[in-house]
Amino acid sequence: KQEVTQIPAALSVPEGENLVLNCSFTDSAIYNLQWFRQDPGKGLTSLLLIQSSQREQTSGRLNASLDKSSGRSTLYIAASQPGDSATYLCAVRSPSGSARQLTFGSGTQLTVLP
Amino acid sequence: NAGVTQTPKFRVLKTGQSMTLLCAQDMNHEYMYWYRQDPGMGLRLIHYSVGEGTTAKGEVPDGYNVSRLKKQNFLLGLESAAPSQTSVYFCASSFSPILVQMGEAFFGQGTRLTVV
Repeated sequence: KQEVTQIPAALSVPEGENLVLNCSFTDSAIYNLQWFRQDPGKGLTSLLLIQSSQREQTSGRLNASLDKSSGRSTLYIAASQPGDSATYLCAVRSPSGSARQLTFGSGTQLTVLP
Repeated sequence: NAGVTQTPKFRVLKTGQSMTLLCAQDMNHEYMYWYRQDPGMGLRLIHYSVGEGTTAKGEVPDGYNVSRLKKQNFLLGLESAAPSQTSVYFCASSFSPILVQMGEAFFGQGTRLTVV
């Protein structure tokens, strides 16, 4: 059974810092990995999707990497801003089971201080 | 392009009442999912569907039923609501993840349900 872990559970940084969020998964047989952002009381917004054959994806100040063999992904946020404050979730899509479902980590709650 | 739309956004039920949550997507996705999100437990899969007319149980299916009569709609029913079903419910949809460069999952804005 796929398990996804995100460390740390919460992170507080001053504005302008570069930061890294971590995601690890137990089964390296995946289709893809997706990073989401969730604002309080809101839905999930997709940030980046990395296919299993890819090493990284970039969108603006965000860069996500994938090391499938070690079961790790990182989300790098450059020059953080207070508007980046949210919970960041990673989710892995696995072949196991017919659902090919997303398995989620518990998220990292990020606070960027002005 | 509306993406994934959930109705209602908020609901308060009394124990024992029933209700149906509606999820609609306009992206022609085959796969649709219902998740619940609880503090400290992340998102857990309730039921899913891999195509029109098909449904299957996820991780936490008890107390819920689903139907997918039309490809664009996925309904989640609570037969007899219990306080333990107080949660935020999310619907998601995607193409099959087997298709390379596809498989990105899109989520609705959630339904906040309170059972008293």
